Amino acid sequence: NAGVTQTPKFRVLKTGQSMTLLCAQDMNHEYMYWYRQDPGMGLRLIHYSVGEGTTAKGEVPDGYNVSRLKKQNFLLGLESAAPSQTSVYFCASSFRVGTRNPSYEQYFGPGTRLTVT
Amino acid sequence: QKEVEQDPGPLSVPEGAIVSLNCTYSNSAFQYFMWYRQYSRKGPELLMYTYSSGNKEDGRFTAQVDKSSKYISLFIRDSQPSDSATYLCAIGRRFGAGTRLTVKP
Repeated sequence: NAGVTQTPKFRVLKTGQSMTLLCAQDMNHEYMYWYRQDPGMGLRLIHYSVGEGTTAKGEVPDGYNVSRLKKQNFLLGLESAAPSQTSVYFCASSFRVGTRNPSYEQYFGPGTRLTVT
Repeated sequence: QKEVEQDPGPLSVPEGAIVSLNCTYSNSAFQYFMWYRQYSRKGPELLMYTYSSGNKEDGRFTAQVDKSSKYISLFIRDSQPSDSATYLCAIGRRFGAGTRLTVKP
């Protein structure tokens, strides 16, 4: 049981380049999230998904897109990377409580360190 | 005003000390309060989960919620060097900035 995994672990991009970060979870969780973590800012929610085929915007969605084609995978895309997107990106997942509410307990991946020069 | 405020520290204590970590929040509707621990270059992991007010104890860790003051605390008794990490509070789905703790042998 690997939990939440993220690839790649590190990446350096030049301004304007694009890339996709992959998150996978093997816990059959309904809900998945993408966060960025910056010094002094804590974790900020970029996008999230409440189930396969659905996505929604979080607190800081600009410059990012996401897709959830399979329940176990959640992809984060940067179409045209900017230095302001230099950060550590974390994926998380949570299970459903009752018929439709997500648990507040989140399980995080190990993170992807992205540098945009 | 941020929804969740947490002093980023850093906080340095000797081994065996009692550590107190705190967060304040602004939205009185919040009912779910979490503490996550994050080791260097790792993802956060859930440490404690409290619903509504009161205390919850788990080994050397105690989580306390004071809804009247919109204040939550995490106490670590008999702190160990292995407790050195960043501790993030989460209230609802909002995270604090994290407090970096170092426990010196």
